[in-house]
Amino acid sequence: DVKVTQSSRYLVKRTGEKVFLECVQDMDHENMFWYRQDPGLGLRLIYFSYDVKMKEKGDIPEGYSVSREKKERFSLILESASTNQTSMYLCASSIGGGAPYEQYFGPGTRLTVT
Amino acid sequence: DQQVKQNSPSLSVQEGRISILNCDYTNSMFDYFLWYKKYPAEGPTFLISISSIKDKNEDGRFTVFLNKSAKHLSLHIVPSQPGDSAVYFCAASVQTGANNLFFGTGTRLTVIP
Repeated sequence: DVKVTQSSRYLVKRTGEKVFLECVQDMDHENMFWYRQDPGLGLRLIYFSYDVKMKEKGDIPEGYSVSREKKERFSLILESASTNQTSMYLCASSIGGGAPYEQYFGPGTRLTVT
Repeated sequence: DQQVKQNSPSLSVQEGRISILNCDYTNSMFDYFLWYKKYPAEGPTFLISISSIKDKNEDGRFTVFLNKSAKHLSLHIVPSQPGDSAVYFCAASVQTGANNLFFGTGTRLTVIP
C-alpha cells in the first residue's frame, strides 16, 4: 500500500511566521504535489515536482515555495504566513512517466493562521 | 478559471437507489478523467478513471460515463450504500502533459439509510 504522510494534522500559526509543511511518501514515486482545499473551490495545485530538486508552479504558487532534496520528501514553505492561507493542505504523489497515473494523497494538514 | 466543474454541491439519495454525480469540463485537450472520494479528515482516495478512447468504465458498483462531444462525465453508484457518503471530486488531465490533475469543486453525497 502506498503511504503518504504529512508531518502535522493540525497547525496554528501567527501572521508573519514562517511555516513548514512536510510530506513523505514511501513508494519511490517520481511526482509529488501540494494542493490546498477550500470550500467551494475544490483542490487547487500550488506546486509540483517531478524529480529531486525540480519544481514547477501550479495554479496558485504566490506566497509559497517548495523544496525537494530527497525523492521521498516534498516540503511546502509559507515564507510569511497570512490569514488568507488558512486552509487544508494536501500532499500527493504519483508514479512518473507520461500518463497521469492516479495520485495518492496524504491525510492533510489543517492550517489556521491567526 | 475553473476548467472542471461540478455544479451540484450536494446530493442526497436513499440507500439502494442509484447515485449520479456529474462533472463538466471546458478544456478539449483533457483526455484522462478520474473520480476521487474524500471522507472528512482524510485525504482523497482514487475511485475510478477513464481514458477518452472509451465512453464507459465499470468497477463493481461504480461506473463512469464519458460524453466527449458534451464535455461531460458522470459517476453512477448502484446500489448506493451509507458508506458511500463522502465528497466526490472529478479530475481531468492531459495524458502527454505534466501529470497535473485539474479538480472540480466536489459534490457531497449523502446516502440515507
